[in-house]
Amino acid sequence: GAGVSQSPSNKVTEKGKDVELRCDPISGHTALYWYRQRLGQGLEFLIYFQDNSAPDKSGLPSDRFSAERTGESVSTLTIQRTQQEDSAVYLCASSQGSGTVSYEQYFGPGTRLTVT
Amino acid sequence: AQKITQTQPGMFVQEKEAVTLDCTYDTSDPSYGLFWYKQPSSGEMIFLIYQGSYDQQNATEGRYSLNFQKARKSANLVISASQLGDSAMYFCAMREFQTGANNLFFGTGTRLTVIP
Repeated sequence: GAGVSQSPSNKVTEKGKDVELRCDPISGHTALYWYRQRLGQGLEFLIYFQDNSAPDKSGLPSDRFSAERTGESVSTLTIQRTQQEDSAVYLCASSQGSGTVSYEQYFGPGTRLTVT
Repeated sequence: AQKITQTQPGMFVQEKEAVTLDCTYDTSDPSYGLFWYKQPSSGEMIFLIYQGSYDQQNATEGRYSLNFQKARKSANLVISASQLGDSAMYFCAMREFQTGANNLFFGTGTRLTVIP
Protein backbone atom coordinates (compact mmCIF):
# COMPACT_ATOMS: atom_id res chain seq x y z
CA GLY A 1 0.00 0.00 0.00
CA ALA A 2 0.94 3.65 -0.24
CA GLY A 3 3.31 4.98 2.36
CA VAL A 4 3.70 8.47 3.75
CA SER A 5 4.29 10.97 0.99
CA GLN A 6 5.74 14.45 1.21
CA SER A 7 5.99 17.31 -1.20
CA PRO A 8 7.99 18.96 -2.49
CA SER A 9 11.01 16.69 -2.22
CA ASN A 10 13.32 19.69 -2.48
CA LYS A 11 12.68 23.36 -1.87
CA VAL A 12 15.09 26.24 -2.29
CA THR A 13 13.87 29.58 -1.03
CA GLU A 14 15.26 33.00 -0.30
CA LYS A 15 15.70 34.21 3.23
CA GLY A 16 12.57 35.97 4.42
CA LYS A 17 10.13 34.07 2.21
CA ASP A 18 7.39 31.79 3.54
CA VAL A 19 7.31 28.09 2.65
CA GLU A 20 4.69 25.36 2.94
CA LEU A 21 5.57 21.70 3.22
CA ARG A 22 2.96 19.02 2.71
CA CYS A 23 2.53 15.56 4.22
CA ASP A 24 0.07 12.85 3.18
CA PRO A 25 -0.06 10.20 5.92
CA ILE A 26 -0.92 6.55 5.47
CA SER A 27 -4.68 6.15 5.16
CA GLY A 28 -6.25 5.29 8.50
CA HIS A 29 -3.35 6.55 10.59
CA THR A 30 -4.66 8.87 13.25
CA ALA A 31 -1.34 10.17 14.53
CA LEU A 32 0.94 12.46 12.53
CA TYR A 33 4.34 13.88 13.46
CA TRP A 34 6.70 16.45 12.01
CA TYR A 35 10.43 16.25 12.68
CA ARG A 36 13.40 18.32 11.55
CA GLN A 37 16.79 16.81 10.73
CA ARG A 38 19.72 19.16 10.36
CA LEU A 39 22.75 17.97 8.43
CA GLY A 40 24.58 15.23 10.32
CA GLN A 41 22.15 15.32 13.23
CA GLY A 42 19.35 13.20 14.63
CA LEU A 43 15.70 14.09 14.35
CA GLU A 44 14.16 16.91 16.38
CA PHE A 45 10.47 16.70 17.18
CA LEU A 46 8.38 19.64 16.00
CA ILE A 47 4.65 18.92 16.32
CA TYR A 48 2.19 16.05 16.81
CA PHE A 49 -1.44 15.60 15.76
CA GLN A 50 -3.81 12.94 17.10
CA ASP A 51 -7.38 12.74 15.83
CA ASN A 52 -9.12 16.04 16.45
CA SER A 53 -7.31 16.73 19.70
CA ALA A 54 -5.32 19.92 20.19
CA PRO A 55 -1.88 19.38 18.63
CA ASP A 56 1.25 19.05 20.73
CA LYS A 57 3.30 22.02 19.59
CA SER A 58 5.99 21.71 22.24
CA GLY A 59 8.78 21.12 19.71
CA LEU A 60 8.18 24.13 17.46
CA PRO A 61 11.36 26.25 17.65
CA SER A 62 9.71 29.64 17.16
CA ASP A 63 6.42 31.31 16.31
CA ARG A 64 7.50 31.37 12.67
CA PHE A 65 6.64 27.69 12.55
CA SER A 66 3.05 26.46 12.40
CA ALA A 67 1.23 23.38 11.18
CA GLU A 68 -2.29 22.35 10.37
CA ARG A 69 -4.05 19.07 9.82
CA THR A 70 -7.59 18.52 8.67
CA GLY A 71 -9.07 15.46 10.36
CA GLU A 72 -6.95 12.42 9.64
CA SER A 73 -5.70 13.66 6.32
CA VAL A 74 -3.09 15.96 4.91
CA SER A 75 -0.92 18.15 7.08
CA THR A 76 0.88 21.33 6.11
CA LEU A 77 3.92 22.72 7.91
CA THR A 78 4.41 26.43 7.31
CA ILE A 79 7.60 28.36 8.00
CA GLN A 80 7.25 32.11 7.81
CA ARG A 81 10.08 34.54 7.14
CA THR A 82 12.55 31.71 6.62
CA GLN A 83 16.06 32.00 8.02
CA GLN A 84 19.21 30.19 6.96
CA GLU A 85 19.15 28.11 10.14
CA ASP A 86 15.83 26.65 8.94
CA SER A 87 17.74 24.74 6.26
CA ALA A 88 17.19 21.06 7.03
CA VAL A 89 15.27 17.98 5.98
CA TYR A 90 11.71 18.04 7.31
CA LEU A 91 10.34 14.57 7.92
CA CYS A 92 6.74 13.61 8.44
CA ALA A 93 5.66 10.37 10.10
CA SER A 94 2.33 8.73 10.81
CA SER A 95 1.21 5.90 13.03
CA GLN A 96 -1.95 4.03 13.85
CA GLY A 97 -2.23 5.88 17.11
CA SER A 98 -0.51 6.59 20.35
CA GLY A 99 -2.79 4.50 22.54
CA THR A 100 -0.82 1.32 22.19
CA VAL A 101 2.45 0.81 24.00
CA SER A 102 4.35 -0.52 21.07
CA TYR A 103 3.79 1.28 17.84
CA GLU A 104 5.69 2.08 14.73
CA GLN A 105 6.05 5.47 13.11
CA TYR A 106 6.19 5.28 9.34
CA PHE A 107 8.29 8.06 7.86
CA GLY A 108 7.98 9.88 4.59
CA PRO A 109 10.96 10.61 2.34
CA GLY A 110 11.29 14.14 3.67
CA THR A 111 11.48 17.60 2.17
CA ARG A 112 14.95 19.08 1.88
CA LEU A 113 14.66 22.82 2.53
CA THR A 114 17.51 25.13 1.60
CA VAL A 115 17.30 28.80 2.56
CA THR A 116 19.71 30.99 0.63
CA ALA B 1 20.83 15.95 29.62
CA GLN B 2 20.61 13.99 26.42
CA LYS B 3 17.87 11.39 26.49
CA ILE B 4 19.58 9.21 23.88
CA THR B 5 23.35 8.93 23.47
CA GLN B 6 25.08 7.22 20.59
CA THR B 7 28.83 7.48 21.14
CA GLN B 8 29.97 5.94 17.85
CA PRO B 9 29.84 8.47 14.99
CA GLY B 10 31.08 5.81 12.58
CA MET B 11 31.61 2.06 12.55
CA PHE B 12 33.14 -0.34 10.03
CA VAL B 13 32.37 -4.03 9.74
CA GLN B 14 33.51 -6.75 7.39
CA GLU B 15 30.79 -8.30 5.26
CA LYS B 16 29.24 -11.39 6.93
CA GLU B 17 30.53 -10.36 10.36
CA ALA B 18 28.39 -9.17 13.28
CA VAL B 19 28.46 -5.61 14.57
CA THR B 20 27.11 -3.89 17.69
CA LEU B 21 25.90 -0.29 17.64
CA ASP B 22 25.78 1.32 21.06
CA CYS B 23 22.90 3.26 22.56
CA THR B 24 22.37 4.50 26.10
CA TYR B 25 19.32 6.34 27.32
CA ASP B 26 18.24 8.51 30.22
CA THR B 27 14.73 8.56 31.60
CA SER B 28 12.90 8.52 34.91
CA ASP B 29 9.73 7.26 33.28
CA PRO B 30 9.13 3.63 34.31
CA SER B 31 7.31 2.91 31.05
CA TYR B 32 9.17 3.58 27.84
CA GLY B 33 9.96 2.10 24.47
CA LEU B 34 13.22 1.92 22.58
CA PHE B 35 13.44 1.92 18.80
CA TRP B 36 16.10 1.54 16.16
CA TYR B 37 15.78 3.11 12.72
CA LYS B 38 17.94 2.77 9.62
CA GLN B 39 18.43 5.73 7.29
CA PRO B 40 20.07 4.86 3.96
CA SER B 41 21.59 7.54 1.77
CA SER B 42 18.21 7.94 0.08
CA GLY B 43 16.96 9.54 3.30
CA GLU B 44 13.95 7.51 4.35
CA MET B 45 13.73 6.28 7.94
CA ILE B 46 13.17 2.54 8.16
CA PHE B 47 11.94 0.99 11.40
CA LEU B 48 14.04 -1.99 12.47
CA ILE B 49 13.20 -3.14 15.97
CA TYR B 50 11.34 -2.21 19.16
CA GLN B 51 11.94 -3.01 22.84
CA GLY B 52 9.49 -2.16 25.61
CA SER B 53 10.77 -1.36 29.07
CA TYR B 54 8.73 -4.17 30.60
CA ASP B 55 9.64 -6.77 28.01
CA GLN B 56 11.39 -9.67 29.67
CA GLN B 57 13.21 -10.89 26.60
CA ASN B 58 15.47 -9.08 24.17
CA ALA B 59 13.73 -8.20 20.93
CA THR B 60 14.79 -9.92 17.72
CA GLU B 61 13.81 -9.27 14.10
CA GLY B 62 15.64 -11.41 11.58
CA ARG B 63 19.29 -10.38 11.59
CA TYR B 64 18.61 -7.59 14.10
CA SER B 65 18.59 -8.08 17.82
CA LEU B 66 18.47 -5.62 20.66
CA ASN B 67 20.74 -6.18 23.64
CA PHE B 68 18.61 -4.59 26.35
CA GLN B 69 20.35 -4.02 29.69
CA LYS B 70 17.83 -2.12 31.78
CA ALA B 71 20.01 -1.54 34.83
CA ARG B 72 22.71 -0.03 32.64
CA LYS B 73 20.14 1.85 30.54
CA SER B 74 21.58 0.53 27.34
CA ALA B 75 19.85 -0.76 24.21
CA ASN B 76 22.53 -1.81 21.77
CA LEU B 77 21.63 -3.01 18.29
CA VAL B 78 23.33 -6.15 17.05
CA ILE B 79 23.36 -6.84 13.33
CA SER B 80 24.45 -10.35 12.46
CA ALA B 81 25.89 -11.51 9.13
CA SER B 82 26.36 -7.95 7.82
CA GLN B 83 25.48 -7.26 4.20
CA LEU B 84 26.62 -4.45 1.91
CA GLY B 85 23.07 -3.11 1.98
CA ASP B 86 23.37 -2.55 5.72
CA SER B 87 25.61 0.47 5.08
CA ALA B 88 23.56 3.41 6.38
CA MET B 89 22.98 5.72 9.32
CA TYR B 90 21.41 4.03 12.34
CA PHE B 91 19.41 5.96 14.91
CA CYS B 92 18.35 4.89 18.37
CA ALA B 93 15.17 6.50 19.70
CA MET B 94 12.99 6.43 22.80
CA ARG B 95 9.43 7.25 23.70
CA GLU B 96 8.31 7.88 27.27
CA PHE B 97 4.77 6.63 27.83
CA GLN B 98 3.84 8.01 31.23
CA THR B 99 5.08 11.55 30.81
CA GLY B 100 2.61 12.11 28.03
CA ALA B 101 5.28 13.16 25.55
CA ASN B 102 4.06 12.14 22.14
CA ASN B 103 7.30 12.20 20.24
CA LEU B 104 10.38 10.06 19.80
CA PHE B 105 13.70 11.32 21.16
CA PHE B 106 16.50 10.49 18.75
CA GLY B 107 20.24 10.07 19.17
CA THR B 108 22.73 11.62 16.78
CA GLY B 109 23.21 8.38 14.90
CA THR B 110 25.99 5.99 13.91
CA ARG B 111 27.15 5.66 10.33
CA LEU B 112 27.79 2.00 9.55
CA THR B 113 29.96 1.03 6.61
CA VAL B 114 30.10 -2.61 5.54
CA ILE B 115 33.35 -3.52 3.85
CA PRO B 116 33.30 -6.21 1.14
